[in-house]
Amino acid sequence: GAVVSQHPSWVICKSGTSVKIECRSLDFQATTMFWYRQFPKQSLMLMATSNEGSKATYEQGVEKDKFLINHASLTLSTLTVTSAHPEDSSFYICSARTGSEQFFGPGTRLTVL
Amino acid sequence: GESVGLHLPTLSVQEGDNSIINCAYSNSASDYFIWYKQESGKGPQFIIDIRSNMDKRQGQRVTVLLNKTVKHLSLQIAATQPGDSAVYFCAEEDSSYKLIFGSGTRLLVRP
Repeated sequence: GAVVSQHPSWVICKSGTSVKIECRSLDFQATTMFWYRQFPKQSLMLMATSNEGSKATYEQGVEKDKFLINHASLTLSTLTVTSAHPEDSSFYICSARTGSEQFFGPGTRLTVL
Repeated sequence: GESVGLHLPTLSVQEGDNSIINCAYSNSASDYFIWYKQESGKGPQFIIDIRSNMDKRQGQRVTVLLNKTVKHLSLQIAATQPGDSAVYFCAEEDSSYKLIFGSGTRLLVRP
């Protein structure tokens, strides 16, 4: 199947710093990419929908100024967690959609000290 | 989908037995459903899907059943193996292609 990568796979940062997470579709062009957040022992919660060349659509309760999404091409979307705080520590997962299928990345573990 | 819980329900089965994992969904207008497997520290892995015009679909060792009347989805795993141990999520796709995930079930396979 199609492969989606994320970089980095894990990151530890100090409170107040910003962290950028990349999501790439390696062997296909994604019409849409999605960003999810998953806290321990919980389900995946959709944060935002990202389409190439347009502004991301954020789910209710997700601060767009805190979670900046850039979808520069059909194979790359980035999520920047700005001024990260310990409560932002989570597992961030992206997915990329092509046709009728959605493929998930391996996730990025963010720990904010 | 189900509300997000603070803990995952767990299903413990003996190796070789069949497993049945259940899920309730919320939107009667949803017409596409997927089951995912998630191992610790990894992203979700597609297992099987079903559209609302079907009530059953079979894959290799897995079967998904859809009951639209009661908005219920189930995943059956035949001859469960240790490698099946993971958290399983159902998801429904809305009209904007967004996936709404259920709260998940942890499957533990006893050797």
